Amino acid sequence: LAKTTQPISMDSYEGQEVNITCSHNNIATNDYITWYQQFPSQGPRFIIQGYKTKVTNEVASLFIPADRKSSTLSLPRVSLSDTAVYYCLVGVSNYGGSQGNLIFGKGTKLSVKP
Amino acid sequence: DSGVTQTPKHLITATGQRVTLRCSPRSGDLSVYWYQQSLDQGLQFLIQYYNGEERAKGNILERFSAQQFPDLHSELNLSSLELGDSALYFCASSGAVPDRRIATDTQYFGPGTRLTVL
Repeated sequence: LAKTTQPISMDSYEGQEVNITCSHNNIATNDYITWYQQFPSQGPRFIIQGYKTKVTNEVASLFIPADRKSSTLSLPRVSLSDTAVYYCLVGVSNYGGSQGNLIFGKGTKLSVKP
Repeated sequence: DSGVTQTPKHLITATGQRVTLRCSPRSGDLSVYWYQQSLDQGLQFLIQYYNGEERAKGNILERFSAQQFPDLHSELNLSSLELGDSALYFCASSGAVPDRRIATDTQYFGPGTRLTVL
């Protein structure tokens, strides 16, 4: 199982860049890495997904080194509304009859201060 | 609004009881996932259905069961409820096809059902 490890919490100030790293040492060859954002009492929301190197969209960038054993979510110029829990997700295939299991880490609670 | 609906929003019941949570996926999505989120835990994957068939199974207790109906809505049944079952239960949907890795599909989460067992 591709278990993930993230920092429990991070603090930042408005306007700063925030980098959250996720470790996934047992990632499988065909696994993608996906990040979700969750506000209190709401369902998680997709942020970004990648397989290797770098992916960028309008809200974030995702950096994945060559060995793919970790990934870093980068949030440019955060604002107060970015205060949330951020989850790194790496899945396991259920090919060959083995049971799949979607492993969300416990998430990183990001607090953005004015 | 993700397009995924869940009912009820809140549910309060007693230990030993049985409840049913309902989820309607986004229009066109064939996969439904169920997750449990307790106060001090992250998201725990329970089970996935694709087009009516069980596709992947996580840490789902034997007291819990789920199904996906021909109209693609899904129900999660929780029986012999215990205090520890109190949690937020989320449903998510995606357009996953059976030969793709489940983690590659963006999941759209519903607003959740908050279950309180007294």
